[in-house]
Amino acid sequence: DTAVSQTPKYLVTQMGNDKSIKCEQNLGHDTMYWYKQDSKKFLKIMFSYNNKELIINETVPNRFSPKSPDKAHLNLHINSLELGDSAVYFCASSQIGAQPQHFGDGTRLSIL
Amino acid sequence: AQKITQTQPGMFVQEKEAVTLDCTYDTSDPSYGLFWYKQPSSGEMIFLIYQGSYDQQNATEGRYSLNFQKARKSANLVISASQLGDSAMYFCAMREGPGNTPLVFGKGTRLSVIA
Repeated sequence: DTAVSQTPKYLVTQMGNDKSIKCEQNLGHDTMYWYKQDSKKFLKIMFSYNNKELIINETVPNRFSPKSPDKAHLNLHINSLELGDSAVYFCASSQIGAQPQHFGDGTRLSIL
Repeated sequence: AQKITQTQPGMFVQEKEAVTLDCTYDTSDPSYGLFWYKQPSSGEMIFLIYQGSYDQQNATEGRYSLNFQKARKSANLVISASQLGDSAMYFCAMREGPGNTPLVFGKGTRLSVIA
């Protein structure tokens, strides 16, 4: 059973398009995250949600809009895609305390 | 200032040897957690080991151990008996505070295990 699943795994699209990435976790965790990994492999937090509430928004352009319909899902919608949005996007989840964050397998977004 | 510093962009190790990957951190929060993740070429992020700031003993998980030196603010990962499958990117990360705060990652170390 996959703990954190993201779809799609690969996303190739043109500049200016709108796209969504879906994330679901079956671990019963309260908190979910979106991270962006750039071409140099650097990982940085974008958003954090706790029980469907936005907790952290790390100066991400408002073209990026996360949506959490329930605490098991955190989707990421991106409007007007730009070349600089090309990256791998990771969804993760965790429970309070010493538990590690569990990551999805990532979505590789390529903008043509 | 960087919160997590990994000074080794790349490392080579002979199969069956031990290797230490360096990580130093910077925080003023007395409660924090340190994590190591492995990212193989297939791209997924695999959790390896965790050390809490109040833990008295160094964490160990199988062939992985964490050399935690609190006064020096270092949390080095030691991999014993390296295997070819250990070749990957390794990331050190920190969670500040006791709650569910996001991880801050270092830039990673690419480990190559040589037969």
